[in-house]
Amino acid sequence: DAMVIQNPRYQVTQFGKPVTLSCSQTLNHNVMYWYQQKSSQAPKLLFHYYDKDFNNEADTPDNFQSRRPNTSFCFLDIRSPGLGDAAMYLCATSRLLKQGYEQYFGPGTRLTVT
Amino acid sequence: SQKIEQNSEALNIQEGKTATLTCNYTNYSPAYLQWYRQDPGRGPVFLLLIRENEKEKRKERLKVTFDTTLKQSLFHITASQPADSATYLCALAPIYNQGGKLIFGQGTELSVKP
Repeated sequence: DAMVIQNPRYQVTQFGKPVTLSCSQTLNHNVMYWYQQKSSQAPKLLFHYYDKDFNNEADTPDNFQSRRPNTSFCFLDIRSPGLGDAAMYLCATSRLLKQGYEQYFGPGTRLTVT
Repeated sequence: SQKIEQNSEALNIQEGKTATLTCNYTNYSPAYLQWYRQDPGRGPVFLLLIRENEKEKRKERLKVTFDTTLKQSLFHITASQPADSATYLCALAPIYNQGGKLIFGQGTELSVKP
């Protein structure tokens, strides 16, 4: 039944050690998003893919990269995590419809940086 | 500057009462607005969408209003239950928006006491 799956649910990494978070979907949606959410804050969009087109938010640090090898999978790479990158990372998908589009979120990956 | 603001203080109400949550925005022209529920440690779950030409939308015990003159949306839960306790996020989709981007508010935590 799981529609948007994120692995792992919890990730601990060391300061400066690259880490990759993964997201997969069974919905066949054409848009995938990555958000960063810190405690009691709004989810902040990092980037999104519209099919294969990558769209980076202007204020997303260069430290964050993403890959979407096919419709079902999307990866978030953090090249050199800092302490400030500790957060919940949420993957979401949507199917663009003329009348509007809700987003389907995964359960999130909680990243801890030591 | 562009802002989306929700009540930062937690809302505590008694079971059976109506909960009303507020979402205000400035310097946006939303095509529509959405409400999501987020439980601790989980991803947001879509609840309702209301378009800029709609005044009100209902779904079971939920009601959303949208006033583009006041730049405000109200989210109501009638006959509230302890199971409704969660954080509720509003999110708007700006007009001329590519890829279905949503801008989220920080959320309001609702606690329903038995």
